[in-house]
Amino acid sequence: DAKTTQPNSMESNEEEPVHLPCNHSTISGTDYIHWYRQLPSQGPEYVIHGLTSNVNNRMASLAIAEDRKSSTLILHRATLRDAAVYYCILRDGVAGGTSYGKLTFGQGTILTVHP
Amino acid sequence: EAGVAQSPRYKIIEKRQSVAFWCNPISGHATLYWYQQILGQGPKLLIQFQNNGVVDDSQLPKDRFSAERLKGVDSTLKIQPAKLEDSAVYLCASSLDPGHSSGYTFGSGTRLTVV
Repeated sequence: DAKTTQPNSMESNEEEPVHLPCNHSTISGTDYIHWYRQLPSQGPEYVIHGLTSNVNNRMASLAIAEDRKSSTLILHRATLRDAAVYYCILRDGVAGGTSYGKLTFGQGTILTVHP
Repeated sequence: EAGVAQSPRYKIIEKRQSVAFWCNPISGHATLYWYQQILGQGPKLLIQFQNNGVVDDSQLPKDRFSAERLKGVDSTLKIQPAKLEDSAVYLCASSLDPGHSSGYTFGSGTRLTVV
């Protein structure tokens, strides 16, 4: 499985933007970049995903480097409810393969948001 | 739309006892996953079902863990006999299909403590 590297932890202040980095230097052309987050005592929650172009949704933005070897999840205005573990995951997009669609979680980044 | 339902929410058992967890995925989701999350780590995939067939159980400790998904809807995960190292949160997730762009929806998990 392709691997990702994330900082163990990051801190932010409420209502400030947060940029969560992820390195994935061994990404293949068919891997999608997915982000999930896990709030305390809950299961992981889908945040956003992309392949090559930057993506925006109501929760966050995803900026993908031109060579696709890194990406950044952007929370535009952090709130206390955004405190969670954020996982950057490469998801195989080749239908029929043994690893098709699988989510393999790493350690993630623990985001602390200060009031 | 109702989420992924799991029960029980918590379970405490003694080592060498048996335990079973239940999962009801989102209606219409053909793919179902069981993950194990040990404290401080990311979730680890145990088994993946497509309808009522097993797609991947390569990381399931088959000497003590078993899982089934009769009729392609609900699923149960069983541990017999339990060991201390099985203490973890067991997460169930479902998706329309393995590669669906909406990703996985996770339940809140069952926290197992083996004493």
